[in-house]
Amino acid sequence: EVLLVESGGALVQPGGSLRLSCAASGFTLSDYWMTWVRQAPGKGLEWVANIKGDGSDTGYADSVKGRFSISRDNAKNSLYLQMNSLSAEDTAVYYCARNDDYYKLSYWGQGTLVTVSS
Amino acid sequence: QSALTQPPSASGSPGQSVTISCTGTSSDIGDYNYVSWYQQHPGKAPKLMIYEVTKRPSGVPDRFSGSKSGNTASLTVSGLQAEDEADYYCISYAAGTHVALGGGTKVTVL
Repeated sequence: EVLLVESGGALVQPGGSLRLSCAASGFTLSDYWMTWVRQAPGKGLEWVANIKGDGSDTGYADSVKGRFSISRDNAKNSLYLQMNSLSAEDTAVYYCARNDDYYKLSYWGQGTLVTVSS
Repeated sequence: QSALTQPPSASGSPGQSVTISCTGTSSDIGDYNYVSWYQQHPGKAPKLMIYEVTKRPSGVPDRFSGSKSGNTASLTVSGLQAEDEADYYCISYAAGTHVALGGGTKVTVL
């Protein structure tokens, strides 16, 4: 069974940093692109970042470029999102998803909540 | 990143059909057959319902179907059931930015 479990969400002050993790099981992580998608309270989905199976290629939404960094450790079956210079606009539930092909997001985690507030 | 246009809401009575549109451009929906649709119930993660415009993952009822014409993709839910009440999002592969997302449509079963 494919399972994705996010962790690391928390309340953080503006300007702060946070690292999210996504533990993957039930499939070979290195075979897949992985994607982070976020959803602000009461709002729609927003693509955040992608990373290729071997970690050699990444992509970021303009809204997070230069502040967020996506990475992975296939040996630990884990995906990460390092978030720096956080602002209130980054408050959202963050989901990791397996990106099978061209944004066929077949499996999603349950999400982890990041709240940026003083 | 590109944005796809969805109607904010749609509704239908049980047993009826409802169709949700997702309008993009010739750089996304119009040029690629990589449109997917997701269902999201309140407080839950999105679930893949349709991929590559018309394909259904195993386990998704055949009441859900997808289509595309020009720059617009559509999701049709036939034989509406109470559990179909949810938010629905479209996503398309796109040239340049690689991804375009719709703003979501809230489907209400009357």
